[in-house]
Amino acid sequence: AQTVTQSQPEMSVQEAETVTLSCTYDTSESDYYLFWYKQPPSRQMILVIRQEAYKQQNATENRFSVNFQKAAKSFSLKISDSQLGDAAMYFCAYRSGNSNSGYALNFGKGTSLLVTP
Amino acid sequence: EAGVTQSPTHLIKTRGQQATLRCSPISGHTSVYWYQQALGLGLQFLLWYDEGEERNRGNFPPRFSGRQFPNYSSELNVNALELEDSALYLCASSLAMSIYGYTFGSGTRLTVV
Repeated sequence: AQTVTQSQPEMSVQEAETVTLSCTYDTSESDYYLFWYKQPPSRQMILVIRQEAYKQQNATENRFSVNFQKAAKSFSLKISDSQLGDAAMYFCAYRSGNSNSGYALNFGKGTSLLVTP
Repeated sequence: EAGVTQSPTHLIKTRGQQATLRCSPISGHTSVYWYQQALGLGLQFLLWYDEGEERNRGNFPPRFSGRQFPNYSSELNVNALELEDSALYLCASSLAMSIYGYTFGSGTRLTVV
């Protein structure tokens, strides 16, 4: 099974500043998809951004962008102009593109992001 | 459009009892996924249902089971509850084999005493 590692249990950022959350994964597959999810105190997981492995261009969604390094198996999330509402648990996830591996998302253990005024 | 709904929100059970958790997917979604989120362990994949069939199963004992109904709603059953089953159980739905991620519900908090 593919392993997803988030090495930062907690991160802190000041409002309006930029923060980068790290994620690495282990796979021998060439076809896969990567995701970042946000889980605020309300508990509902919200999709932040996704990346297809075959695309070299890094995905961007407003203030959220990724740095996808396929050879290094690294998928970091950058949050620009941080806002108080960004405070949450952030999970990195991997989805195989191979039907034999199943299509379930495989999650890391998460990074808790604190945003200070 | 209604999101993924889960019931109940909270559930307290005694060790050895059975728990039943329910999930209604977004209209048009045929796949339902179940995850266990125990404290400090992230999200662990439990089960995936699509078109009424169990498609994949995570590394959990057989006392974790479920089913998907013709309207694509799903229930998760946990038999012979153990204290370590206490966790947040999240349901998610998607179009079949979607590569665009899932939509999650807000979860059921199961407490085993």
